[in-house]
Amino acid sequence: AAGVIQSPRHLIKEKRETATLKCYPIPRHDTVYWYQQGPGQDPQFLISFYEKMQSDKGSIPDRFSAQQFSDYHSELNMSSLELGDSALYFCASSSEGGLNSYNEQFFGPGTRLTVL
Amino acid sequence: AQTVTQSQPEMSVQEAETVTLSCTYDTSENNYYLFWYKQPPSRQMILVIRQEAYKQQNATENRFSVNFQKAAKSFSLKISDSQLGDTAMYFCAFGAIMYSGGGADGLTFGKGTHLIIQP
Repeated sequence: AAGVIQSPRHLIKEKRETATLKCYPIPRHDTVYWYQQGPGQDPQFLISFYEKMQSDKGSIPDRFSAQQFSDYHSELNMSSLELGDSALYFCASSSEGGLNSYNEQFFGPGTRLTVL
Repeated sequence: AQTVTQSQPEMSVQEAETVTLSCTYDTSENNYYLFWYKQPPSRQMILVIRQEAYKQQNATENRFSVNFQKAAKSFSLKISDSQLGDTAMYFCAFGAIMYSGGGADGLTFGKGTHLIIQP
């Protein structure tokens, strides 16, 4: 079965540089979520999109922005990178569950970002 | 906002034993879902089991079962006949239900429990 695809899998950047992470959801999934997991930490929800509109917002820094495109893939743009941005960034996708439901989020393998 | 608390940073048991991981949460929501995710050394997030808050019956998935106590806001995971492959970080997570439809809230995770299965 097709899974969530994230690219790149590994990324190394210098402080103050920018980075773009890409996420390709499972076919026919219309909702995308981004999470950040620092070393030894739990995943922290950043932002989600449903049908190309922002759905929910978590602890996403102002230096980060994201969007979902017409083909449902999503990109997380990170500017003015800081050492503390080094983390594993997960993308997850789900199909919209409708009223009073919560469909399973399928996680991608993650992008490991290292800021030097 | 909701919080999820896992009070056991690390647990270690012998292979074939039964182990229970604890999770408590706090929320003002009445309808929600609770999840247990497994994160092995590969760092992949794998859904182990889910529980709908409106269901009184505890969820089970093969060797994995939960003890859901809604009034106490408790959601523990029991792993029976533990196997070496169960060694991983286990995260308890909370998901609010969207009443209006159209997308869903992000999950709120606990800090995790590192489970080690000894041979």
